[in-house]
Amino acid sequence: AQSVTQLDSQVPVFEEAPVELRCNYSSSVSVYLFWYVQYPNQGLQLLLKYLSGSTLVKGINGFEAEFNKSQTSFHLRKPSVHISDTAEYFCAVVNTGFQKLVFGTGTRLLVSP
Amino acid sequence: EADIYQTPRYLVIGTGKKITLECSQTMGHDKMYWYQQDPGMELHLIHYSYGVNSTEKGDLSSESTVSRIRTEHFPLTLESARPSHTSQYLCATADSREGSDTQYFGPGTRLTVL
Repeated sequence: AQSVTQLDSQVPVFEEAPVELRCNYSSSVSVYLFWYVQYPNQGLQLLLKYLSGSTLVKGINGFEAEFNKSQTSFHLRKPSVHISDTAEYFCAVVNTGFQKLVFGTGTRLLVSP
Repeated sequence: EADIYQTPRYLVIGTGKKITLECSQTMGHDKMYWYQQDPGMELHLIHYSYGVNSTEKGDLSSESTVSRIRTEHFPLTLESARPSHTSQYLCATADSREGSDTQYFGPGTRLTVL
């Protein structure tokens, strides 16, 4: 069965600084990978996803993620964050032959002025 | 992207009451899911459906029940609410024709049982 580890429960960063949110997964088969964002009192919004092809995936709001098969990672990055990026971020994985999405425990991004 | 509606958005109710959380979608997605999100923000799958008249229990044991009589509608019912049911409930959909099982989420229902 696959699993997802988000190594940081909380990441504080100053506005306009770069940020990386880490995600590692384990699976014995090929996977699809996702990042979601959750703002307070809202549902999850899809930021980006990796299905196949280029390992660098660009998403909404200036975020991007890189799939690294050898390190089984899918880290999320943004070169310059805004106050409005403060939210909870979830990494998720599903193997290509299975149907249940497995979520990490989330990383809270706190952007301060 | 799917248009997913959840009602009510917020609900405060007393112990022992029967409640139904509504989830509806307009995109014709065949797969629908219910997640429970605890205060630590982790998501737990409690029910899912891959089509009309098909429902399954998820990974987290739940006292709730679901039904899927129509493609667009996937209500969740608690026969007798308890304080332990206090949580955020998220509904999601996916289109199996898309091939990746990308899930799209509704805005959630925050339930408080007193």
